[in-house]
Amino acid sequence: DTGVSQNPRHKITKRGQNVTFRCDPISEHNRLYWYRQTLGQGPEFLTYFQNEAQLEKSRLLSDRFSAERPKGSFSTLEIQRTEQGDSAMYLCASSSNGQGAWEQYFGPGTRLTVT
Amino acid sequence: AQRVTQPEKLLSVFKGAPVELKCNYSYSGSPELFWYVQYSRQRLQLLLRHISRESIKGFTADLNKGETSFHLKKPFAQEEDSAMYYCALHNAGNMLTFGGGTRLMVKP
Repeated sequence: DTGVSQNPRHKITKRGQNVTFRCDPISEHNRLYWYRQTLGQGPEFLTYFQNEAQLEKSRLLSDRFSAERPKGSFSTLEIQRTEQGDSAMYLCASSSNGQGAWEQYFGPGTRLTVT
Repeated sequence: AQRVTQPEKLLSVFKGAPVELKCNYSYSGSPELFWYVQYSRQRLQLLLRHISRESIKGFTADLNKGETSFHLKKPFAQEEDSAMYYCALHNAGNMLTFGGGTRLMVKP
């Protein structure tokens, strides 16, 4: 499967715990995006990387949220001190640079449940 | 600020009937608009892009800058069109702003 992959697919955690999600983009894509989707809503942009540089992070929901892409390949999204309101689907997408940059390919998502 | 509105959460039609899924946007620049689709148990995928002006799976969408709309249309709905449809706006900052989505149900 050469598409975007995300792990884990499901995560149940207790309030106050930290969680980390991983995204592996399509191999030749140098742009990577994180979105959050709550029930009944469309995806909401969180942050994006071009290679290892995080070019937009003002939309991260709070300082409890952080993302990294240390080698310009896979990325991680961490939520510290989780709250029940963090329960959502977290989506990752990737795109190429240049002319193909407009088309984002989405992963299957990680569903987070905070109890 | 940019915003995408899909006024209908659910649209239910019979097979063979015409379909129109509404999308309105607000954006101060020159908009680049898309429709994404999510079939049951599948990931979100691009359906069409306004610049390409293609017809994909019988769907078309025309950008109307005067009405700030980008409605998705299909003359004859098929059962396999049943899915969640999201209108999205792409800005210069490379982020997509999505509408809330419309669930299309095509009944036999």
